[in-house]
Amino acid sequence: DTEVTQTPKHLVMGMTNKKSLKCEQHMGHRAMYWYKQKAKKPPELMFVYSYEKLSINESVPSRFSPECPNSSLLNLHLHALQPEDSALYLCASSQGRGRTNSPLHFGNGTRLTVT
Amino acid sequence: SQQGEEDPQALSIQEGENATMNCSYKTSINNLQWYRQNSGRGLVHLILIRSNEREKHSGRLRVTLDTSKKSSSLLITASRAADTASYFCATGAYGQNFVFGPGTRLSVLP
Repeated sequence: DTEVTQTPKHLVMGMTNKKSLKCEQHMGHRAMYWYKQKAKKPPELMFVYSYEKLSINESVPSRFSPECPNSSLLNLHLHALQPEDSALYLCASSQGRGRTNSPLHFGNGTRLTVT
Repeated sequence: SQQGEEDPQALSIQEGENATMNCSYKTSINNLQWYRQNSGRGLVHLILIRSNEREKHSGRLRVTLDTSKKSSSLLITASRAADTASYFCATGAYGQNFVFGPGTRLSVLP
């Protein structure tokens, strides 16, 4: 079991749907991350929140919209996705302000399929 | 890019044998971390070694770091079937996001 909880575990959505991925941690970490991982590839950084403020957006298309309602929660809103967006979406958290390279604590991810 | 690159890409061994994975990187780093990922799950942090350290142990894991060669190795001793997973190195420098290498897929056969 991980200390970072992601819901749902699996999600199938059409290209016109709007859905949200959710992530929660109660370790008091102030940096939270979204990663995208394709099969047999390493995770790719999408967004970093530091103290609930978006600090990094790695040129992610606007059809992905992150939100950090409070220090424990992180959402990723999805709209008008493409089939190539199908992947495992991982949430992670770490101590500090991010970019200090503290170990990341990952959730088990949401397996997203876009049809 | 300071991206870590693992070698080999895939490794298959028998239970009880040792497994060694290597990671090379290109630029100066503050630390290097190793993560394990079981199929379809999240990554789990295994060990962090700082740039001023040369070797670190954690249970059956031994990590070395050679900053002059810009390389690190992860040794898993007395491997078990449960060690079957993908292993990623991630290099970090303060003020920069760390980047994961492509990973090594380890299969431990019973």
